[in-house]
Amino acid sequence: DVVMTQTPVSMSVSLGGQVSISCRSSQSLVHNNGNTYLSWYIQKPSQSPQLLIYKVSNRFSGISDRFSGSGSGTDFTLKISRVEPDDLGVYYCGQGTQYPLTFGSGTKLEIK
Amino acid sequence: EVQLVESGGGLVQPGRSLKLSCAASGFTFSDYNMAWVRQAPKKGLEWVATIIYDGSRTYYRDSVKGRFTISRDNAKSTLYLQMDSLRSEDTATYYCATLDAWGQGASVTVSS
Repeated sequence: DVVMTQTPVSMSVSLGGQVSISCRSSQSLVHNNGNTYLSWYIQKPSQSPQLLIYKVSNRFSGISDRFSGSGSGTDFTLKISRVEPDDLGVYYCGQGTQYPLTFGSGTKLEIK
Repeated sequence: EVQLVESGGGLVQPGRSLKLSCAASGFTFSDYNMAWVRQAPKKGLEWVATIIYDGSRTYYRDSVKGRFTISRDNAKSTLYLQMDSLRSEDTATYYCATLDAWGQGASVTVSS
């Protein structure tokens, strides 16, 4: 199974600030078809997860350009700029390249 | 608007069965692979099973193989998860998802 390791476990940021969350996979996430199926999700308090980023760097419909994804192979990053109150929650990375699908353990973002 | 609405959750004794349903609307259900993802209380996301858009293939995590069955009815735009031989460790909120979109979740508690 592909193990997804997220860091940090939690972080606190001031409104208007910038954060980076790291996600590393135990194996390359490059699929045989050349795509890299690495996604980022946010789970806001008492809500279901929501897709932010898919295939490493593609923002999902309606997602602010304050969110950006980057990386390749086994090393990925989510950056959030100009942090807003609504950004608080737990962020998960997830891989869809091979079964079983796996997720990171989450990064809790708190607002100072 | 994409909607995924789960139903069928509840309290069940160990060893018994439960069947979850997920009614989909707002998109062409038969075009999408569908998944069940669960989240134990205060824990992270755990993929359970996926069914290909036409029902031709299914995938399961090892811990539910032989006990859970994912299925779909494209004519009714509905996804199912039959859960047999339930264990306490199956206690979780179960989300129906395209992974782009997620339902609100169905709570399953396995306890005597």
